Amino acid sequence: AQSVAQPEDQVNVAEGNPLTVKCTYSVSGNPYLFWYVQYPNRGLQFLLKYITGDNLVKGSYGFEAEFNKSQTSFHLKKPSALVSDSALYFCAVRDMGGRRALTFGSGTRLQVQP
Amino acid sequence: DTEVTQTPKHLVMGMTNKKSLKCEQHMGHRAMYWYKQKAKKPPELMFVYSYEKLSINESVPSRFSPECPNSSLLNLHLHALQPEDSALYLCASSHTPGVSGSAEDTQYFGPGTRLTVL
Repeated sequence: AQSVAQPEDQVNVAEGNPLTVKCTYSVSGNPYLFWYVQYPNRGLQFLLKYITGDNLVKGSYGFEAEFNKSQTSFHLKKPSALVSDSALYFCAVRDMGGRRALTFGSGTRLQVQP
Repeated sequence: DTEVTQTPKHLVMGMTNKKSLKCEQHMGHRAMYWYKQKAKKPPELMFVYSYEKLSINESVPSRFSPECPNSSLLNLHLHALQPEDSALYLCASSHTPGVSGSAEDTQYFGPGTRLTVL
């Protein structure tokens, strides 16, 4: 069975600094990985996904993620954080079995201080 | 347009009430999903519809009854709920059904319905 782990419950960063939100995965075949962001009392917004190809994936709102097969990681990055980036971030992996459903990590709360 | 809409935004109901949650998308997606999200937890899959047919039920209690009247609409009928069912209920859709479709498909989520059971 596939799984994702987000080792940090919360990440704090100052506005203007680079940010990284960590995600590691475990799958039996090719990984299909996604990042979503959730603002308070809102649904999940899709940020980016890795399917195949370049290890650096660019997404919405200036976010990017680096796929590293040897380290089984898919860390979310942004060169310069904004206060408005403060939210809950979920990494997810697509089930390649019959369900084809998303399995989410536990989530990381990003707090960007002015 | 990648919009999924859900109504109502908030719902408060008693344990003997019957209510329904509604979800709508006009992206031509043929897979639709219901997720349940408790506070500070990730979403958990409840149901998957593929081509308007129920394809996955994640052992959800029968007090939750999904319905897909057409390719754009997804309902979740609620009856005799328990206080522990209070949560954010999220609807999502994707282009092709999960079982036979592409794993590359992105699921797009609605804003959710915040359900409180008294």
